[in-house]
Amino acid sequence: DGGITQSPKYLFRKEGQNVTLSCEQNLNHDAMYWYRQDPGQGLRLIYYSQIVNDFQKGDIAEGYSVSREKKESFPLTVTSAQKNPTAFYLCASSIEAGRTDTQYFGPGTRLTVL
Amino acid sequence: AQSVSQHNHHVILSEAASLELGCNYSYGGTVNLFWYVQYPGQHLQLLLKYFSGDPLVKGIKGFEAEFIKSKFSFNLRKPSVQWSDTAEYFCAVSRMNTGFQKLVFGTGTRLLVSP
Repeated sequence: DGGITQSPKYLFRKEGQNVTLSCEQNLNHDAMYWYRQDPGQGLRLIYYSQIVNDFQKGDIAEGYSVSREKKESFPLTVTSAQKNPTAFYLCASSIEAGRTDTQYFGPGTRLTVL
Repeated sequence: AQSVSQHNHHVILSEAASLELGCNYSYGGTVNLFWYVQYPGQHLQLLLKYFSGDPLVKGIKGFEAEFIKSKFSFNLRKPSVQWSDTAEYFCAVSRMNTGFQKLVFGTGTRLLVSP
């Protein structure tokens, strides 16, 4: 099946720890995105990548980092600098970032900081 | 800054009632418009989209939306809802921004359909 997978589904971490969320797609899409979803705030863009080895900050990149070493993978690291990391994180992809393409979403990872 | 407004945060309807969810955006240029739906425990998925052409767009599961450029609106409608339509609905708007399609989401509307 083609699609986007995110792991783990639920993640718990202690304050002060970095944690990496996985996102893999087998859709052969060039563009990938990370969003954060909080109740009553919709989805906000953290980082995006238009092509391998390139990525750009979104609206709320502080305290996060990403890498794009392979086309199919776009992991997100939530660092200890992120002041309010507890949230639902969604990964998405689209054929290209520069066209009017639909973004397809993964199932999400719910991160809870204890 | 570009913004998307969904004024109804929570909507409760009985089965067979008609549905209209409002969506307004602030950007005045050429936009692409989307409605996404998130059913309980499921992926966020595309319900319908408007890029150009007929401003009345039909999507999956009997949903439709009308783009009214003069009102900067893209309201979602369904003539008769079902219990299975219980979900959270997000309106989103994109425009070309230095070659990148940035998608801006509204805050979402939670729809509860009672049987």
